[in-house]
Amino acid sequence: QKEVEQDPGPLSVPEGAIVSLNCTYSNSAFQYFMWYRQYSRKGPELLMYTYSSGNKEDGRFTAQVDKSSKYISLFIRDSQPSDSATYLCAFKGGYQKVTFGIGTKLQVIP
Amino acid sequence: GAGVSQSPSNKVTEKGKDVELRCDPISGHTALYWYRQSLGQGLEFLIYFQGNSAPDKSGLPSDRFSAERTGGSVSTLTIQRTQQEDSAVYLCASSLITGGGNEKLFFGSGTQLSVL
Repeated sequence: QKEVEQDPGPLSVPEGAIVSLNCTYSNSAFQYFMWYRQYSRKGPELLMYTYSSGNKEDGRFTAQVDKSSKYISLFIRDSQPSDSATYLCAFKGGYQKVTFGIGTKLQVIP
Repeated sequence: GAGVSQSPSNKVTEKGKDVELRCDPISGHTALYWYRQSLGQGLEFLIYFQGNSAPDKSGLPSDRFSAERTGGSVSTLTIQRTQQEDSAVYLCASSLITGGGNEKLFFGSGTQLSVL
């Protein structure tokens, strides 16, 4: 079983749609849960960062963590063409290595 | 500079040649990471530096790969006798260690390595 599972997509949605991106993980030592956004030919940039189970909201973005199910989600409301990118879930345990998902490619159609 | 800087942005080399990839982290960031991103493979951890030492080099795929960091700043990733399977984007990231475990990575734009 892979440590992190993420559907690579691609996921194509119309502008204004609600987008749901998900990852599952198997490592119980993961304590920090992150979402990175990566535009083409750029490095990933941190989008959302959470520690505990529950929801965290930032503008149009909501990160959700369910530690009991080892499942995290990122919701994007009122999606925009500028949201078109690859979204990577990321996890960190007590030491410094950050483990990434494969990334889901999202395209928002105007 | 304001962000993580990597050079070169693109590198084309012949199989069997050695290559050096450079990373300039954000000033003051004590932690530095190298990752590799291949099509369909996601981000693969290579090595992590804390200051000039590398407490975790578990991701280096073979002894052809090595990395060093000097002055707690610039890092160089060296690949000897390059192979076609080394073709990938090599990403560097840095973070400010706060001791709380919640350090956030800031990435450069990467070096696209193509081995012919």
